[in-house]
Amino acid sequence: GAVVSQHPSRVICKSGTSVKIECRSLDFQATTMFWYRQFPKQSLMLMATSNEGSKATYEQGVEKDKFLINHASLTLSTLTVTSAHPEDSSFYICSARVRTVYNEQFFGPGTRLTVL
Amino acid sequence: AQKVTQAQTEISVVEKEDVTLDCVYETRDTTYYLFWYKQPPSGELVFLIRRNSFDEQNEISGRYSWNFQKSTSSFNFTITASQVVDSAVYFCALSEAGWHQTGANNLFFGTGTRLTVIP
Repeated sequence: GAVVSQHPSRVICKSGTSVKIECRSLDFQATTMFWYRQFPKQSLMLMATSNEGSKATYEQGVEKDKFLINHASLTLSTLTVTSAHPEDSSFYICSARVRTVYNEQFFGPGTRLTVL
Repeated sequence: AQKVTQAQTEISVVEKEDVTLDCVYETRDTTYYLFWYKQPPSGELVFLIRRNSFDEQNEISGRYSWNFQKSTSSFNFTITASQVVDSAVYFCALSEAGWHQTGANNLFFGTGTRLTVIP
C-alpha cells in the first residue's frame, strides 16, 4: 500500500514551453501533497505544500506564477512549470502525506525535467 | 527549529567493509520521528527505517543497523559488509509529531551522504 506515482518520469522540452507533472496517490487519499526539487548532488528542497481544495503554500523564493500547483482531488496533484528555462532543469519529486500517528510522507519516483 | 546534519558528504569504501553514516539532529519537540532514505542513481527515494523518539532501542535489519542516541541527538546508520548495490545517496530526515492541518511540512531532510562502494 501507500504507492505514489508520478508522470512523466522524464521529460525533455524546449525553452519557453510549459510542462505538467502529475502526482497520484494510487491506493490512499492524501489531503496534503508536497513538491520537492532536487538539483544534482543536492538535497531535496521543498517547493510547495499542496492541500486539496485550497491554494498551495509556496516556500520562500519559489515563484508561484512559474510553478503552478493544482490539487484537484484527494489523489491527484499537478505541478506545471510555465515558460520553462534551462535553469528549471531539475529532478522534481512529489510526496503524499498520510494521516497517521507518524504523519508519513510517501514519495513518488520523481520526474527528471530537462529544458533545452 | 528543526535541523538535520549529515556531516559526511561523500564516503568511499571497498566492498565488504563496514561503513557508518552519521546523522545529528536538532529539535525542540519532545516527540518526533527519524527516518533514513536511500536514493539510488535512478532517483527514487527508498524508505529504510522510521524510529520514534521515545524508542531508543537499536535496530538491525540484515546488513543494516541503526544506533539512536537521544543524549547526543544522533541517529547513525551502519552497513555491514557493504556491497556495490549499496552505492547511493542516503538521507536522514526528521519529522515532527502531531498532525498539521494545512501548510506546514513536517519532514526535514539532511543534505545527504553519497556512498560509493568500490568492488
